[in-house]
Amino acid sequence: AQRVTQPEKLLSVFKGAPVELKCNYSYSGSPELFWYVQYSRQRLQLLLRHISRESIKGFTADLNKGETSFHLKKPFAQEEDSAMYYCALILNAGNMLTFGGGTRLMVKP
Amino acid sequence: EAGVAQSPRYKIIEKRQSVAFWCNPISGHATLYWYQQILGQGPKLLIQFQNNGVVDDSQLPKDRFSAERLKGVDSTLKIQPAKLEDSAVYLCASSPLARTGPYEQFFGPGTRLTVL
Repeated sequence: AQRVTQPEKLLSVFKGAPVELKCNYSYSGSPELFWYVQYSRQRLQLLLRHISRESIKGFTADLNKGETSFHLKKPFAQEEDSAMYYCALILNAGNMLTFGGGTRLMVKP
Repeated sequence: EAGVAQSPRYKIIEKRQSVAFWCNPISGHATLYWYQQILGQGPKLLIQFQNNGVVDDSQLPKDRFSAERLKGVDSTLKIQPAKLEDSAVYLCASSPLARTGPYEQFFGPGTRLTVL
C-alpha cells in the first residue's frame, strides 16, 4: 500500500532563513505528488504539484525517484508562510489522495 | 466562483447518537470526496463519488458510516451510531471528472465533530 511520511511535525525557522519540509513516499509505481497548505482559519488548498515543475510563492519541490522523496523548499522564509503543509500522492489510476501527517511551519520574525 | 460548502461547521454529540453532514460541491464538479481528519493527522479518504456512483469506499467503516450522492450534486455523510474515536474534522472536496487527470481537489471548510 502507498504511504506518505512527513518526519517533522513542527519546523520553526526565522524570517529570511531557508526552509525544507521533508516528504518521503513508498510506492513502487510512478505516483503524482502534491503539496497542500492550510493557513490559519483557511481551507486546505493546493500549493504545487510535481508534474507542473512550477514555483509557487517562492516554493519549489523536486521529485527524487531514487530516494522516493518530494521535499518542499524555499530559500528565504516569510512570516506569511506559517501554516500546515501536507504532502500527498495520487496513484496512476483515479484521483484519490493519500496524505502525509503534515508539518507545521512557524516562521518567526 | 463559490467554493465547496459544508454544514454544520461544528457538532457535539454523545456516543451512540447519530449525526449527518452535508456537502455542496463546486458547480460542475463531477467528483466528490469525503475525508476524515483526526487531530494531529493528515486527511484520510473515506469515500469518492463520481456523479452519483461510488468509485472507492474501501476505507469507509460501513458498519456505522454511510454516504450518498443521490442526484450527483449534494452529498450527505452519516454516522450511526457514533463512537468516541469518530471525533475528527470531516472534509468534503470536489474536482472535475477524475477519469483523466489528476485534477486539483477543492476543499470545504470542514465539519468538526466531537463525540462525548
